[in-house]
This record gives sequence, structure tokens and C-alpha cells, in this order.
Amino acid sequence: AQSVTQLDSQVPVFEEAPVELRCNYSSSVSVYLFWYVQYPNQGLQLLLKYLSGSTLVKGINGFEAEFNKSQTSFHLRKPSVHISDTAEYFCAVSPYQKVTFGTGTKLQVIP
Amino acid sequence: DAGITQSPRHKVTETGTPVTLRCHQTENHRYMYWYRQDPGHGLRLIHYSYGVKDTDKGEVSDGYSVSRSKTEDFLLTLESATSSQTSVYFCAISEVTTGETQYFGPGTRLLVL
Repeated sequence: AQSVTQLDSQVPVFEEAPVELRCNYSSSVSVYLFWYVQYPNQGLQLLLKYLSGSTLVKGINGFEAEFNKSQTSFHLRKPSVHISDTAEYFCAVSPYQKVTFGTGTKLQVIP
Repeated sequence: DAGITQSPRHKVTETGTPVTLRCHQTENHRYMYWYRQDPGHGLRLIHYSYGVKDTDKGEVSDGYSVSRSKTEDFLLTLESATSSQTSVYFCAISEVTTGETQYFGPGTRLLVL
């Protein structure tokens, strides 16, 4: 079985500052990794995913994530956040058919 | 946006009553999923389907049943609703499973009194 840990339930950050949202996972097999974003009162949408190849993955809205196999991490970063980035972010892993989601990190961008 | 709709979008019901939530897709994707979202738990898989009449349980399937008689529709039924089933329910679809992006519906807010 696999699991996902998002250590930070909330992350406040000032507008135009950088941000890192942390994600660690455990799995006995190779996994695919995802970050999804959920804006208020909406469903989730994909930010980016890692399937194979380059460990640095670029996604939409200026986000990127780096897969670190030795540390079993897949942290999400953005060099300069905007008010519109205020949302909840979910890390997810999927070795086979089912996807396991983390508990989410609420990013609050402060003007 | 992927063509996924959920109905109803909001529902209030009483303990012990049956409730059916509907997910409808226009993408002809093979896989469909039902999740529930609760604070502190993220999204948890209830049931999923890998084809018409083919379904399997997720991690929190107790008290829920599903049916898929057509590719485009995936129904989630709470046979006898309980207050612990108060949640936001999301339907998702994907064309394949492993490594594939899941596309989510807008969600259904269910309150069981």
C-alpha cells in the first residue's frame, strides 16, 4: 500500500514571495506522482505530474515540482505567488489503479 | 473543461433515508471514481468503475453502493444515510488508470441530519 504525507495543513505567504509545499510518500513499488489544485467550491484540477524522465516537472501557472527518489519527496514550488494562487493543494501517488491523495495544504496568499 | 456533471449539487436529507448521487460524463472515458472529501482527510476513494457493470471497492466503501449501466453514468447510493456520511462527494474520470490524469466534477455537498 502507498501513503502520502503533506506535513503542512496551512501555508501563509506574502504576495510575490516564493513558496514550497511539501509532499512525502511511501510505496513499496515505483509510483507516479501528481499535484492537484482545488479552488474554493470547485473540483480538483491537475497542476503537474511525474511519470518518468526528468525529475524536475513544470506545470501550469508557474508551478514546478521535483521528484526526489532517495528522499521519497515531491515538493511543489513557485518562485513568486499571486493572490490567485490561494487554494488548496493536494499531492497524490498512484502505483497502480488507485490514486492515494494527501490531506491537502491550504495556501493563503497575503496581499 | 472535461464534460463531467454531478447531480444534485446540494442535498439535505435525514438519517435513514436512501440517497443517490449521479455522475455524468461526455468524454467516453472508461474509468470513473467516487471520492468523498472531509477536512483533515483529503480525498478518499469510495468506489470506482473500470467499465460498464465493472466496479470495485475503495478504502471507504462501507455504507455505499454503486452502479454503472452506461459508460456515461456512474451512480453512488447511500442505502441508509448516516450523519457520518455528511461530506462533499466528487466524481472523477480517467481514460486509463496508471499514470493518467483524473478529471473531477464540481462536487455534491450532502448534509445528513
